Amino acid sequence: KAGVTQTPRYLIKTRGQQVTLSCSPISGHRSVSWYQQTPGQGLQFLFEYFSETQRNKGNFPGRFSGRQFSNSRSEMNVSTLELGDSALYLCASSLAPSGGPNTGELFFGEGSRLTVL
Amino acid sequence: AQSVTQLGSHVSVSEGALVLLRCNYSSSVPPYLFWYVQYPNQGLQLLLKYTTGATLVKGINGFEAEFKKSETSFHLTKPSAHMSDAAEYFCAVSEVQGAQKLVFGQGTRLTINP
Repeated sequence: KAGVTQTPRYLIKTRGQQVTLSCSPISGHRSVSWYQQTPGQGLQFLFEYFSETQRNKGNFPGRFSGRQFSNSRSEMNVSTLELGDSALYLCASSLAPSGGPNTGELFFGEGSRLTVL
Repeated sequence: AQSVTQLGSHVSVSEGALVLLRCNYSSSVPPYLFWYVQYPNQGLQLLLKYTTGATLVKGINGFEAEFKKSETSFHLTKPSAHMSDAAEYFCAVSEVQGAQKLVFGQGTRLTINP
């Protein structure tokens, strides 16, 4: 069974540009969330999607947005890039957002490393 | 709001020695607690989780953790360290069952000395 796939793995952008990152969850997983990882702030929750609906959003400016498609694949977009957006962006999938034996069990991809110059 | 504090950003132990990584949490409701591990250039992998029931939780790779409500702690241990355990470890908390909105600690980098 293939894991969570994130593309691209590495990218370099300049300030003011925008970027779109893609995430394909594990087959059968309908819930996708995104996290930003930086040396200074650590791992921070961005947003969570289930059945194409945003269920939760972290404390990030509106420049950060996301969406989920009917096949559960997800994208996140960052517009008007700033130097501080340089980070590893991690996508995680889960069977469902509800409880049960899979409670809180997230499967992470290897991340997309964004460098903003 | 919930929060997680990991004591010690770096921990170094000898191969074969006890591994102890400390985690304290703050939560207004009974928490769900997790330990994740991140190897270099990889995503995070779930080691173990506490939701309800037994307070001593066993995970993969010989790790275990004990939930102590009175101490608001969830420390991770392994009796005998192996070179392959070198990685960064993250403690996380969720107040909502099954929620993907986890709050992570700052991480502890574990180094194993031969």
